[in-house]
Amino acid sequence: EVQLVESGGGLVQPGGSLRLSCAASGFTFSSYAMSWVRQAPGKGLEWVSTISGGGGSTYYADSVKGRFTISRDKSKNTLYLQMNSLRAEDTAVFYCAKRGSGLYVEYWGQGTLVTVSS
Amino acid sequence: QSVLTQSPSASGAPGQRVTISCSGSSSNIGSNPVNWYQQLPGTAPKLLIYDNNQRPSGVPDRFSGSKSGTSASLAISGLQSEDEADYYCAAWDDSLNGWVFGGGTKLTVL
Repeated sequence: EVQLVESGGGLVQPGGSLRLSCAASGFTFSSYAMSWVRQAPGKGLEWVSTISGGGGSTYYADSVKGRFTISRDKSKNTLYLQMNSLRAEDTAVFYCAKRGSGLYVEYWGQGTLVTVSS
Repeated sequence: QSVLTQSPSASGAPGQRVTISCSGSSSNIGSNPVNWYQQLPGTAPKLLIYDNNQRPSGVPDRFSGSKSGTSASLAISGLQSEDEADYYCAAWDDSLNGWVFGGGTKLTVL
């Protein structure tokens, strides 16, 4: 059974940093691209970043480019999102997501809430 | 402003059929498969339809998807109260090199 468990969310001041983690199990972690998708309170889904299975390719939404860094640790089956220079508009539930065998997100974690406020 | 366009709301009585539409462009729906997600209140999204019209194991055949050109639609037949949720379309965008989503359609079962 595929499991994606996010952690690391919390309250942070504007300009601060936070690192999210996503522990993956139930599949061959290095074989699948992984993504972060966020959802601001009461709003829709917004793609944040994607990393290839091997970690060699990364992609970012313009809204986070230069501030967020996605990475993965094959030995720990864990996906990360380092978030710097956080802004109020980054407040959202952040979901870890696993790509399927085709061009689709197959599984989602339960999400972790990031609140950026003074 | 979402890249993919969905109507914000839809409704139907139990047993009826409803359709939710999704409009995109040549760089996303026009060149890549469309996927649909169901998000029940307070929960994470769940894959409902992938590759335009494929259902993952466990998804009832009351749910079906289709795509034509740069538009797609999700149909739900035999509407049930538990179908009340937010529905999102999504596709990979070749220009943005990322996933794009619709703004979501809130389905109300009357």
